[in-house]
Amino acid sequence: NAGVTQTPKFQVLKTGQSMTLQCAQDMNHNSMYWYRQDPGMGLRLIYYSASEGTTDKGEVPNGYNVSRLNKREFSLRLESAAPSQTSVYFCASRGDTSNQPQHFGDGTRLSIL
Amino acid sequence: AQSVAQPEDQVNVAEGNPLTVKCTYSVSGNPYLFWYVQYPNRGLQFLLKYITGDNLVKGSYGFEAEFNKSQTSFHLKKPSALVSDSALYFCAVRDGAQTGANNLFFGTGTRLTVIP
Repeated sequence: NAGVTQTPKFQVLKTGQSMTLQCAQDMNHNSMYWYRQDPGMGLRLIYYSASEGTTDKGEVPNGYNVSRLNKREFSLRLESAAPSQTSVYFCASRGDTSNQPQHFGDGTRLSIL
Repeated sequence: AQSVAQPEDQVNVAEGNPLTVKCTYSVSGNPYLFWYVQYPNRGLQFLLKYITGDNLVKGSYGFEAEFNKSQTSFHLKKPSALVSDSALYFCAVRDGAQTGANNLFFGTGTRLTVIP
């Protein structure tokens, strides 16, 4: 029961470096999401994808790009990392109806020096 | 506009005592309400949801939640707390009248500590 798998689990970057966070789900879900979690701020939506081939901005998209590579995979890219992007990043997926819960990966802990 | 509030950042309870984690919400239409739990270095895990029907919803690990429309609340409860219940709890809401993949709003979380 893999569910949602995120790689890597930890990463340290220098300011200005680029990086792609990977996410894959094996539940045949159409909807996928990227969140960031910061202390005292809960989860904030960065981008989401309602289906293969579509992506939309969430609450905090600046500094990020995403790619929905296929139905299983949804990646998040930081083109030029900034210290303000130090956070824990979570990927999630959801089934086709709005009354279903989202399923989360275990996160990528990203530090930018 | 949708929003959800968890008024307590921290809740402490003695092992064996009942616990309550509070959540209030605001939506225009009918609310879909969810509770998640997060253990250290893990992602959020779904506990229970309210969509329609009975106001008392039962979920995983002995947790339950009561939907109160007049008070716009969805408090999480458990009759007897375990030390292993210590974790971060998130309430989330979406407007059931809205279609689309988005529109799930999370609270800022409540850290529950169960004291042995």
